[in-house]
Amino acid sequence: AQSVAQPEDQVNVAEGNPLTVKCTYSVSGNPYLFWYVQYPNRGLQFLLKYITGDNLVKGSYGFEAEFNKSQTSFHLKKPSALVSDSALYFCAVRDIGDDKIIFGKGTRLHILP
Amino acid sequence: DTGVSQNPRHKITKRGQNVTFRCDPISEHNRLYWYRQTLGQGPEFLTYFQNEAQLEKSRLLSDRFSAERPKGSFSTLEIQRTEQGDSAMYLCASTLGVPNEKLFFGSGTQLSVL
Repeated sequence: AQSVAQPEDQVNVAEGNPLTVKCTYSVSGNPYLFWYVQYPNRGLQFLLKYITGDNLVKGSYGFEAEFNKSQTSFHLKKPSALVSDSALYFCAVRDIGDDKIIFGKGTRLHILP
Repeated sequence: DTGVSQNPRHKITKRGQNVTFRCDPISEHNRLYWYRQTLGQGPEFLTYFQNEAQLEKSRLLSDRFSAERPKGSFSTLEIQRTEQGDSAMYLCASTLGVPNEKLFFGSGTQLSVL
């Protein structure tokens, strides 16, 4: 069965600094990987996905993520954080051959002005 | 698209009562998912549909939970004999699937069991 781990409950970054939110996964086959964001009192929104191809994928709001098969990781990154990036971020995985999409517990990103 | 719609937005019920939630997915989306989310946690998978077929149900889901998607359009999630532990946000999401794979979420139904 597939699973996702987000090891950090909260990440604090100063505005303008680079940010990384960590995610590792476990699947029996090849993964589809996703990042979603949840702003206060808002629904979950898609940020980016890895299906196949380039290991570095770019998404909304300047975010990107790097797929690393050997480390089974899919960390979310942004070169320069904005206060408006403060939100709850969820990593998710789908195992090819299984339509079920599993989410991690989430990481709260706090950008300090 | 008009987005994924969930009704009601909030539901307060007494323990032991039955509740039913409705989800209207984006019209051309063939896959529909139900998740449960509690405060500060990630969405927990409950079940999903490919068109009208319910293809998987979480092993964590008790027999008190049932979901349907007649005609492959809207879906309903029913909880029978509610318990206080059922209090959560119930989320619905839909997608076209491969190759897009992007889930579109509704705003959820917040259930409070007193």
